[in-house]
Amino acid sequence: AAGVIQSPRHLIKEKRETATLKCYPIPRHDTVYWYQQGPGQDPQFLISFYEKMQSDKGSIPDRFSAQQFSDYHSELNMSSLELGDSALYFCASSLGLAVPYEQYFGPGTRLTVT
Amino acid sequence: GNSVTQMEGPVTLSEEAFLTINCTYTATGYPSLFWYVQYPGEGLQLLLKATKADDKGSNKGFEATYRKETTSFHLEKGSVQVSDSAVYFCALGGSQGNLIFGKGTKLSVKP
Repeated sequence: AAGVIQSPRHLIKEKRETATLKCYPIPRHDTVYWYQQGPGQDPQFLISFYEKMQSDKGSIPDRFSAQQFSDYHSELNMSSLELGDSALYFCASSLGLAVPYEQYFGPGTRLTVT
Repeated sequence: GNSVTQMEGPVTLSEEAFLTINCTYTATGYPSLFWYVQYPGEGLQLLLKATKADDKGSNKGFEATYRKETTSFHLEKGSVQVSDSAVYFCALGGSQGNLIFGKGTKLSVKP
């Protein structure tokens, strides 16, 4: 069965650079969630989208923005990168809000800021 | 606000030992509860879930019962295997559909 696809899988950037992470949800899934997992930490919710509209916002820095496109894929844009942004970024998708918690996670993008 | 507390790790067990990982939660209302597992270098996988009080979630020999009276959702397995070595996260469903995770418990199973 198709799973959530994230690209790139690994990304190395320098401080103050920008990064774009992409997420392709499971086909027919219209809801996307972004999480950030620091080293040895639990995943922290950043932001979510339902039907291309932002549905909720967590601890996402102002330097980050995200959107969901007409094909339901989502992109997380990160600017003015800091060393503390080094983390594993997960995308998860679900089918609508009827079962809002059946989230399926992608393999993650490991971002390293040097 | 809503939060999840789970036992600190790491937990090291011998193969075929009994596993319990404690999880308690604080929430308004009656949220859905989950256990996710993260194998080394991989993403999070849903292990089991329970959506209301007294529900028992089960999968791959793992079980957890939603206990409203003790606000708990402890994970148990009767006989662990080396392949169960992973990090286990307890989570609850937030008010907007997001998941709120505990800190994770690393399990190592020795042959």
